[in-house]
Amino acid sequence: GDSVTQMEGPVTLSEEAFLTINCTYTATGYPSLFWYVQYPGEGLQLLLKATKADDKGSNKGFEATYRKETTSFHLEKGSVQVSDSAVYFCALEGSSNTGKLIFGQGTTLQVKP
Amino acid sequence: DTGVSQNPRHKITKRGQNVTFRCDPISEHNRLYWYRQTLGQGPEFLTYFQNEAQLEKSRLLSDRFSAERPKGSFSTLEIQRTEQGDSAMYLCASSPGTTSYEQYFGPGTRLTVT
Repeated sequence: GDSVTQMEGPVTLSEEAFLTINCTYTATGYPSLFWYVQYPGEGLQLLLKATKADDKGSNKGFEATYRKETTSFHLEKGSVQVSDSAVYFCALEGSSNTGKLIFGQGTTLQVKP
Repeated sequence: DTGVSQNPRHKITKRGQNVTFRCDPISEHNRLYWYRQTLGQGPEFLTYFQNEAQLEKSRLLSDRFSAERPKGSFSTLEIQRTEQGDSAMYLCASSPGTTSYEQYFGPGTRLTVT
């Protein structure tokens, strides 16, 4: 069945460092791909999405490109801030048109000043 | 737009008791989803509704779990005869379901079974 694999955390970076969180997926068909973020004490929020191959999703300085050939959707940010400290989830929506999301296990990011 | 709300936010219960959680979606969102999230893991799909119809249930949803969405508005998730393994965060999300399938999540209900 469909699945998502993320790099294990925690990822600890200094402020202004470059961030990459790896995400790969297994799916039939052509899923839509998402990154969600969960800040401490808050609910999941959609960060960005891409619905087809080679699409680039971007928001708040974060980017991810839908790579069908490598079945990947890696999250990147050029310069992280302390306020980016959170748990990041990669997810896919399968082609069944139900809208249900399949999540990776999450990657905790800690940014130190 | 007040967002998705869930009640209660925390629930502690003894093994064997029944519990019920409520989710109020964003007004006029047709689709409503329930997920379960255990510590250190991503959310796992449980079930979803299109208006009042429950269209899919995960194998994770044993016969002790039941969900309803009367009149296609709020939804309830009931767990009967709770077990320690039911301890988790239960998340609700809603989406417009027509113009967009983007899901908006509530803050979750944390269940602890002692």
